[in-house]
This record gives sequence, structure tokens and C-alpha cells, in this order.
Amino acid sequence: GENVEQHPSTLSVQEGDSAVIKCTYSDSASNYFPWYKQELGKGPQLIIDIRSNVGEKKDQRIAVTLNKTAKHFSLHITETQPEDSAVYFCAASSPMNRDDKIIFGKGTRLHILP
Amino acid sequence: DVKVTQSSRYLVKRTGEKVFLECVQDMDHENMFWYRQDPGLGLRLIYFSYDVKMKEKGDIPEGYSVSREKKERFSLILESASTNQTSMYLCASSGPGQGIANSPLHFGNGTRLTVT
Repeated sequence: GENVEQHPSTLSVQEGDSAVIKCTYSDSASNYFPWYKQELGKGPQLIIDIRSNVGEKKDQRIAVTLNKTAKHFSLHITETQPEDSAVYFCAASSPMNRDDKIIFGKGTRLHILP
Repeated sequence: DVKVTQSSRYLVKRTGEKVFLECVQDMDHENMFWYRQDPGLGLRLIYFSYDVKMKEKGDIPEGYSVSREKKERFSLILESASTNQTSMYLCASSGPGQGIANSPLHFGNGTRLTVT
């Protein structure tokens, strides 16, 4: 089955700098890669996702890149702000199959330093 | 916006009690999920359901059961609570699209369960 590794587990960056979180996956058939942000006291919320037919996707300060050959994908946050402090989860899932499940990484706690 | 509501924010139960965690979604989503979240272990899938009265085991179903009698409601049941079931429980839903595992998940805010 799929296995998703996420690094680093904790990341501290100065406000205004960029943050990068990296994930690798094991199943070459995986084709959907979402990222979730979990703020304190709340459930995870989808912030961006990418499918395997594209290599990069951007939404304002957030971008995700996908390298299918190397089986890794990354979240890039530019011009970080205090409200970016949260736990971020990457995930991967395989093609349409009622029995398939989305597999999450273990999360990265991002601290934005003033 | 999709709203997934979990009935309790915090619960404290005793070992051996039967515990019900309730989840309701308001977007007519077919798929519903129960996860538990523990520090260092991320999100682990307990059970999911892709239709009323249907259920599928996730990665850690032992000690849990579920019920889906109505499309909008998905209940997690701990038949006999144990201390190792102390955790944050997250309910999620997703709509039709590109497969049960390929659609965005909408999470509730979680129920923190403590079993003493």
C-alpha cells in the first residue's frame, strides 16, 4: 500500500521568509496530492491540491510542485505571515477505487517567528 | 461552505463505557470518514462509508464500530472504551468526483476524548 513520508516534522521561519515542506510517496499509481492546514483547535482544512497531470499549481502565496519520477511533492509558502503558523499535512491517494484510501503524512508544525 | 459538525468538543468517559461520537454534514456528501489524530502518528483512518448503511474498515478499526442510518449522519461507537482510545477524533466528508480517495475532505473540528 501507499506510504507517505513528510519532512521536516517542525519548521521555524522568520516572518516574511519562505517555508518549504516536502513529502515522498511510494505508490507510483498515486495521482492526487492534497495539502491540509490545521490551526489550533480546528480540523484540517484543504489549502491546495494537485493531480498528477500537472507539475505545479499556485494559489497566491502557496504553491505545490510534483515530481512524479522521483515520487515527491512539496508545499511552498512565500512571504510567510503569523497566520501561517499551523500544522500542515500532505497526503496521497491512488486512482479511482472504492477500496482506496487517502494516506496522510505525519504532519509538519510550522512556526512563524516575529 | 460545507459544514461538518461533531456533537461534542470534549468528552470524558470511564473505562468500559459505551461511547457514541456523532457527526453531521450538511452538503449531501456520499462519503464520510472517521479518523483519529495522535501526536507523532498523524491522521489514521478508522472507518469510512460511501453510502447509507455501507461501511468499510480503515487502517485501525479494532475496538470501534460505525453506523450510517442517514446520509448526513455518521456515528463512531466505542463498544467498551479503553484508555488507549484517548485521542482526538476527526470526522470528515467528501462528495462525488474522482473517486472516494481523490476528492477533497471536509473535516469537523474534532472531539477530544479522554478515557479514564
